[in-house]
Amino acid sequence: EDKVVQSPLSLVVHEGDTVTLNCSYEVTNFRSLLWYKQEKKAPTFLFMLTSSGIEKKSGRLSSILDKKELFSILNITATQTGDSAVYLCAARPNTGNQFYFGTGTSLTVIP
Amino acid sequence: DGGITQSPKYLFRKEGQNVTLSCEQNLNHDAMYWYRQDPGQGLRLIYYSQIVNDFQKGDIAEGYSVSREKKESFPLTVTSAQKNPTAFYLCASQANFYNEQFFGPGTRLTVL
Repeated sequence: EDKVVQSPLSLVVHEGDTVTLNCSYEVTNFRSLLWYKQEKKAPTFLFMLTSSGIEKKSGRLSSILDKKELFSILNITATQTGDSAVYLCAARPNTGNQFYFGTGTSLTVIP
Repeated sequence: DGGITQSPKYLFRKEGQNVTLSCEQNLNHDAMYWYRQDPGQGLRLIYYSQIVNDFQKGDIAEGYSVSREKKESFPLTVTSAQKNPTAFYLCASQANFYNEQFFGPGTRLTVL
């Protein structure tokens, strides 16, 4: 059965801290892994990773994929209260249109 | 402005009534999706459509129906056969197989 598992389920940090969110996957014929940020409503796209070991970066956020160990991490440095959200990861196979989502990590950044 | 719209934002219905959730996109995307989100369960796929007049069931299609008569529109009907319809419903679209999904703002359905 294809599945995606995220950890931790929730996290509370202080502003300025660095956090690492984890996503492991078991997807047959894996193609890519995606990260989304969800603040109450629509998830917004952050990164799509298809190759192992190549870091993708956007401002204080970065992500990397390990296709051998079947996981990805999302790093957020110098966290701000605006980073508070649920972070979702999704894995998709090479065939079909199915995206398999994890349950998300709820991040709360306190001033 | 290009994007995905869902309406209504909040919907209340009595048990036993069918209800239709709207999803429209002006991104010219081929594929559209419906997900259900419950607390602690992530997003679960209800239906998806790759082209007009074609759609496939996802993991939890029972009690739901869809249509795709126009490229821009993918309405979801929650029927009285759906045992636990109270949830947050998200619509998404995708330009093509290689791209990410874009999500609408969601509809929160509460069945009383």
